Amino acid sequence: QVQLQESGPGLVKPSQTLSLTCTVSGGSISSGDYYWSWIRQPPGKGLEWIGYIYYSGSTYYNPSLKSRVTISVDTSKNQFSLKLSSVTAADTAVYYCARDQSSLEGGIDYWGQGTLVTVSS
Amino acid sequence: EIVLTQSPATLSLSPGERATLSCRASQSVSSYLAWYQQKPGQAPRLLIYDASNRATGIPARFSGSGSGTDFTLTISSLEPEDFAVYYCQQRSNWPGVTFGQGTRLEIK
Repeated sequence: QVQLQESGPGLVKPSQTLSLTCTVSGGSISSGDYYWSWIRQPPGKGLEWIGYIYYSGSTYYNPSLKSRVTISVDTSKNQFSLKLSSVTAADTAVYYCARDQSSLEGGIDYWGQGTLVTVSS
Repeated sequence: EIVLTQSPATLSLSPGERATLSCRASQSVSSYLAWYQQKPGQAPRLLIYDASNRATGIPARFSGSGSGTDFTLTISSLEPEDFAVYYCQQRSNWPGVTFGQGTRLEIK
């Protein structure tokens, strides 16, 4: 059973960089069959896709966040990470890491439990 | 960007009733649409992929239909655990994906 777990600071100051790590267990991030994604959800609102990374390091970002987002992967640790720069209160959200079936026909089949990140001074 | 519009925003029904949730795309997404269920305090769960295929472990009372721009998630007979928020997601320009704004299914 694949499990994903987010970790990182729950409070970030405005203008600083949000950094989160997702640790994958029960499966290899290098399997090649999946993309690994970050998705966020502001309190009481809907889901917003942030971006994907493949084990090779290829990335795809939401155009609306692209200038501030970096997603990286560490296959030796079976982890991938998110950095979001120049944060504001609008970036306050529950951040989920997840596994995507990497096809037009598929879906996001495994999710982490989510971690709340609050942007506040 | 493809915009997904879900309706209604809130649906109030009783256990045992049939639920019909709609998702409309701003342009054709073929069959490349997924549905997710989210309960309070939990991560979303994949219900349906490729418009009409149930994900592993999803009960048969959940079904999806549609293609092009109009899609429907149907729950044939509501169980108490089905009251949640439901999201559609288009994948036609994968890896770029977008979600609908959600439909809240509440107990009447």
